[in-house]
Amino acid sequence: SQQGEEDPQALSIQEGENATMNCSYKTSINNLQWYRQNSGRGLVHLILIRSNEREKHSGRLRVTLDTSKKSSSLLITASRAADTASYFCATDANRDDKIIFGKGTRLHILP
Amino acid sequence: EAGVTQFPSHSVIEKGQTVTLRCDPISGHDNLYWYRRVMGKEIKFLLHFVKESKQDESGMPNNRFLAERTGGTYSTLKVQPAELEDSGVYFCASSPRLVLSQGWSGANVLTFGAGSRLTVL
Repeated sequence: SQQGEEDPQALSIQEGENATMNCSYKTSINNLQWYRQNSGRGLVHLILIRSNEREKHSGRLRVTLDTSKKSSSLLITASRAADTASYFCATDANRDDKIIFGKGTRLHILP
Repeated sequence: EAGVTQFPSHSVIEKGQTVTLRCDPISGHDNLYWYRRVMGKEIKFLLHFVKESKQDESGMPNNRFLAERTGGTYSTLKVQPAELEDSGVYFCASSPRLVLSQGWSGANVLTFGAGSRLTVL
């Protein structure tokens, strides 16, 4: 079964504010990744967090992982218009396993 | 380095017709994946190639879908005959094969193509 349910489904915030998106999954994982998709384009990898990590930073991105709750969050600080996109979490159960995506969160940054 | 290339970018066909989508992965990437996204729904896994072999095809909806990867290079996904519910965006992604020497540091990060939008009328 698919896993990776993002929450909320859609989010609109003012430019400069922080955006937080959540992801829940169902089974144990090896890694959790976040991807971004701009309209009409392919997905782009943003950040990866391993199952033995709890928090990771990359520029304006902060990812947390709670394996006991099977959940992750993606925080984008100081949002910009260019951050408008859909964001997906993706998980894999084993290192060479398929990667499963969720429905995504549509983020809209208002000027 | 060229990225993952998909063709066509958009295809409009009538129900019952056949469509073949093509994906050229990044050179040297042994892993090749096909995914599909129907409007507003999740990005659904279809299948996974390792070189020319099908590692996992558990996501293929039915026998109207046929995927091949000739010589472990490019891949095609044929839908025959197409039905209305096949409409959506088909994404291809590739990644290098993880090796044992990477140990814990290895992680499967995918590079996606721009997708092929299929509209079945």
